[in-house]
Amino acid sequence: AQSVAQPEDQVNVAEGNPLTVKCTYSVSGNPYLFWYVQYPNRGLQFLLKYITGDNLVKGSYGFEAEFNKSQTSFHLKKPSALVSDSALYFCAVSVGGFKTIFGAGTRLFVKA
Amino acid sequence: DAGVIQSPRHEVTEMGQEVTLRCKPISGHNSLFWYRQTMMRGLELLIYFNNNVPIDDSGMPEDRFSAKMPNASFSTLKIQPSEPRDSAVYFCASSFPGSGRNEQFFGPGTRLTVL
Repeated sequence: AQSVAQPEDQVNVAEGNPLTVKCTYSVSGNPYLFWYVQYPNRGLQFLLKYITGDNLVKGSYGFEAEFNKSQTSFHLKKPSALVSDSALYFCAVSVGGFKTIFGAGTRLFVKA
Repeated sequence: DAGVIQSPRHEVTEMGQEVTLRCKPISGHNSLFWYRQTMMRGLELLIYFNNNVPIDDSGMPEDRFSAKMPNASFSTLKIQPSEPRDSAVYFCASSFPGSGRNEQFFGPGTRLTVL
């Protein structure tokens, strides 16, 4: 069965510092991996995805993520955090692009 | 494009009443998903459709919940009768897997409160 784990409920980082939000997954088959962001009282917004190709993918708002097949991880990163990055981040996985399983979410708090 | 449209944005009802949530997917998208989000359980997939056909409804919590997609541009999620534990934010999302894009586009959600 597919599953996604986001081991941290919350990540705290100072503005200007690099940030990492962790995600590991378990699937049988080749995964499609996604990151979404949710701001208060809004729906989820797509940030980036990995389907095939280069293990480092770049997405919206300066975010990037690295696919690591041996560690079954897909961590979200940003070189320099902004206060406006504070939000709830979801990692998601699907096989074949249809049914998608979302992680529990990680709340990112960036302090000025 | 206006994105995924959901209505109503807020719904307050009393226990036992019927509730109908509505969703208009992005034009051209052929997959539609209904999710429920609560603090306790996070984001749960309730049901999804492909080409208007329900593919997986294993996430629908009880027979009180039903969903339909009569055409490519409209879907409903109905709860009858509603209970206080159904209080949550319900999201609709759409995608076009055949395009190779696969990512889902979410609506703004319907915040349901059952008293």
